[in-house]
Amino acid sequence: NAGVTQTPKFQVLKTGQSMTLQCAQDMNHEYMSWYRQDPGMGLRLIHYSVGAGITDQGEVPNGYNVSRSTTEDFPLRLLSAAPSQTSVYFCASRRGFSYEQYFGPGTRLTVT
Amino acid sequence: GQQVMQIPQYQHVQEGEDFTTYCNSSTTLSNIQWYKQRPGGHPVFLIQLVKSGEVKKQKRLTFQFGEAKKNSSLHITATQTTDVGTYFCAGFRIQGAQKLVFGQGTRLTINP
Repeated sequence: NAGVTQTPKFQVLKTGQSMTLQCAQDMNHEYMSWYRQDPGMGLRLIHYSVGAGITDQGEVPNGYNVSRSTTEDFPLRLLSAAPSQTSVYFCASRRGFSYEQYFGPGTRLTVT
Repeated sequence: GQQVMQIPQYQHVQEGEDFTTYCNSSTTLSNIQWYKQRPGGHPVFLIQLVKSGEVKKQKRLTFQFGEAKKNSSLHITATQTTDVGTYFCAGFRIQGAQKLVFGQGTRLTINP
């Protein structure tokens, strides 16, 4: 199994540009989440999904959209990038409610 | 704001010294997980605690869950250079339990 994969690994955007961070898992996990990691802030939940077709907001959802059309994929869309969205983004998945969570390798995003 | 607080934010020790990080939640947690993130890497699951007052050990690591299920700790005995990294606690709240909310993390550095 590849586990949780994320693309791209690095990305530089200009303010106002849009882009999609890709996330896929091959473990047939129901739960998927997106986190951002900033120095001193830990991992903050952006959006999450408990199954295909079901998404909900986390702690910091503004400026981001998600969809879950398949069990495997959970893309994160930045609608109009802002410098405050400069961060490392992690996608994660888990089998169910209180199971261990598996993280992807992360995407380092810089918005200038 | 952050509902799972973790202290200290940073800890520097000499190799062989002990290390403890503490996690406190403003609400009762159904269970709590601990993760380790090596520098430049992604978080990796260490353990989950479910029961009030639970204590679990993994070699030199001891994990505790408080009686009120609002706090937890990770203690490392006789640190080694391989322990370097950031340790995160993450909790499932009883309400909104699908969300796994992380603390800010404790970054451990070690002088060999």
